[in-house]
Amino acid sequence: DGGITQSPKYLFRKEGQNVTLSCEQNLNHDAMYWYRQDPGQGLRLIYYSQIVNDFQKGDIAEGYSVSREKKESFPLTVTSAQKNPTAFYLCASSQDRASNQPQHFGDGTRLSIL
Amino acid sequence: GNSVTQMEGPVTLSEEAFLTINCTYTATGYPSLFWYVQYPGEGLQLLLKATKADDKGSNKGFEATYRKETTSFHLEKGSVQVSDSAVYFCALRDRRGGADGLTFGKGTHLIIQP
Repeated sequence: DGGITQSPKYLFRKEGQNVTLSCEQNLNHDAMYWYRQDPGQGLRLIYYSQIVNDFQKGDIAEGYSVSREKKESFPLTVTSAQKNPTAFYLCASSQDRASNQPQHFGDGTRLSIL
Repeated sequence: GNSVTQMEGPVTLSEEAFLTINCTYTATGYPSLFWYVQYPGEGLQLLLKATKADDKGSNKGFEATYRKETTSFHLEKGSVQVSDSAVYFCALRDRRGGADGLTFGKGTHLIIQP
């Protein structure tokens, strides 16, 4: 079945450590996104990519980095500069840049600090 | 900038009751509007969408009408079931509003009691 796969489902980070969250899609979508979800705050956009080898900062990009070397993959690295990384991270994709296209979401990765 | 405002939760109803979850938006362009649903521990699933004024989106008994004059996209269902218990997010996508990606409301937690 076509869809978005995020891994791992749960992730723990030690102080000063970088961690990378995986996101893979087999929907042949051009655009991919990373959101952060905190209780009571809805979802906020971290980074997005509309095409391979290109990505843009969202509303809360500080302390995060991404790459888009392949169409199907959009990994997110949470760096040690992100001082409050505990959250639920959601990856999404959409067919193209048109505003009427919905975004399809993965099942998320829950990141916690040890 | 763009913003979405949803009614605060939790909203608690009895089975077979009528449901309304209010959603209003502010956008600089002509957005598409979406309702997503999130079950515990999972990602977001698209529930319905509307791409222009007066469009009605519908799915699984849920409906929402794009009202440009009142900048609203209220979610309704005539008879809710226990299985409808989840968090519901209203969102907009407006490519002319700056960064790509969805702008979300904070979510409304719906609890249906048998």
